[in-house]
Amino acid sequence: DAKTTQPTSMDCAEGRAANLPCNHSTISGNEYVYWYRQIHSQGPQYIIHGLKNNETNEMASLIITEDRKSSTLILPHATLRDTAVYYCIVRGLRGSNYKLTFGKGTLLTVNP
Amino acid sequence: EPEVTQTPSHQVTQMGQEVILRCVPISNHLYFYWYRQILGQKVEFLVSFYNNEISEKSEIFDDQFSVERPDGSNFTLKIRSTKLEDSAMYFCASSGGQGVTEQYFGPGTRLTVT
Repeated sequence: DAKTTQPTSMDCAEGRAANLPCNHSTISGNEYVYWYRQIHSQGPQYIIHGLKNNETNEMASLIITEDRKSSTLILPHATLRDTAVYYCIVRGLRGSNYKLTFGKGTLLTVNP
Repeated sequence: EPEVTQTPSHQVTQMGQEVILRCVPISNHLYFYWYRQILGQKVEFLVSFYNNEISEKSEIFDDQFSVERPDGSNFTLKIRSTKLEDSAMYFCASSGGQGVTEQYFGPGTRLTVT
């Protein structure tokens, strides 16, 4: 699975959009980009994933660049409860190997 | 909304003792996983399980570890002889397979080995 690079930490004001970047320059054609978050040592929570098209769900939007070498997770109206470590994970789908390889992620702090 | 549950939430055990951590995955899911997170460190993959057998395991998952799906609902992780370095949060996860690839995690079991 391709390696990802994320900033160590970011701040965001409550009510504003939080834009979390991720670089994955070695991503291959059949690898997906997944985003998870972990709030204060709770279990990681799935947010969204995509292959090459932009995706949106009730939690967030995922923007993937045309060359697929980077992506941005957007939380449109951040709240204090969105303070968490956000993980960008690139993963292929080969056979039954679905393991997730977590990095250090980005600590997003939403400030009042 | 269906969720993964884990018991107990906190387990304290003495070094050398056996522990069993229990998980109830989401009911129609086909793939099951265990991860662990030592305090202050990254979440690490331990093992994946599909069709009643291990499909992949990490270097951490040595002979002291085993997994089992004893019935249609439970998924367990056993550590035969715990060591101090086994102290960690252990997370169970499940995914549906067949194109539903996102994994849903339980709240974790905090294992403390003294």
